[in-house]
Amino acid sequence: EIVMTQSPATLSVSPGERATLSCRASQSFSSNLAWYQQKPGQAPRLLIYGASTRATDIPARFSGSGSGTEFTLTISSLQSEDFAVYYCQQYYNWPYTFGQGTKLEIK
Amino acid sequence: EVQLVESGGGLVQPGGSLRLSCAASGFTFSSYEMNWVRQAPGKGLAWVSYITSGGGTIYYADSVKGRFTISRDNARNSLYLQMNSLRAEDTAIYYCARASRETSGYFPHYHYSYYMDVWGKGTTVTVSS
Repeated sequence: EIVMTQSPATLSVSPGERATLSCRASQSFSSNLAWYQQKPGQAPRLLIYGASTRATDIPARFSGSGSGTEFTLTISSLQSEDFAVYYCQQYYNWPYTFGQGTKLEIK
Repeated sequence: EVQLVESGGGLVQPGGSLRLSCAASGFTFSSYEMNWVRQAPGKGLAWVSYITSGGGTIYYADSVKGRFTISRDNARNSLYLQMNSLRAEDTAIYYCARASRETSGYFPHYHYSYYMDVWGKGTTVTVSS
């Protein structure tokens, strides 16, 4: 099983600033990596797939990068609606596994 | 509008059974693989089960193997999760999620993988005496 580790657990950033979230995999794979956003009381929403492709209707301020074992989600200029929990997930091998999440909070 | 709506959650005693349903609309359900994903209270996401579009291939997480059964009825645009021998640790919100395929590699050695692009709002299962 591929273990996904996200860091930091909590990230405090001011609106308008840049946020960088990290995700590390225990085994290397190419680009089968997705990022999801989850707000309190809501279902997860797909942001990024293929490590760097934005999903439909996702704003350009969200970008993903990385391959192998190191992946990054960058939010270039934080808006109030971006404060949420973010999960990475590998879909390279079964069982598909998620990171434990990074909570992005307002500083 | 593409939509997934889960139902069937509730309170059940340990050892009991429950059947979850997921109604799909706004897309050709029979063309998509599907997943169940759960989230325990205050915890992260955990994949539970996967089924191919025709139902011919199924996978389970080790934590539910032998107790849960995924199925689908393409004529009814519905996905199901039969949960037996329920335990307290199965308490969670259960989401159904559509799987979209990504193809990599080169002919004839293609590698297919599936990201979850559409999620339902979830149904809550509580296992407690």
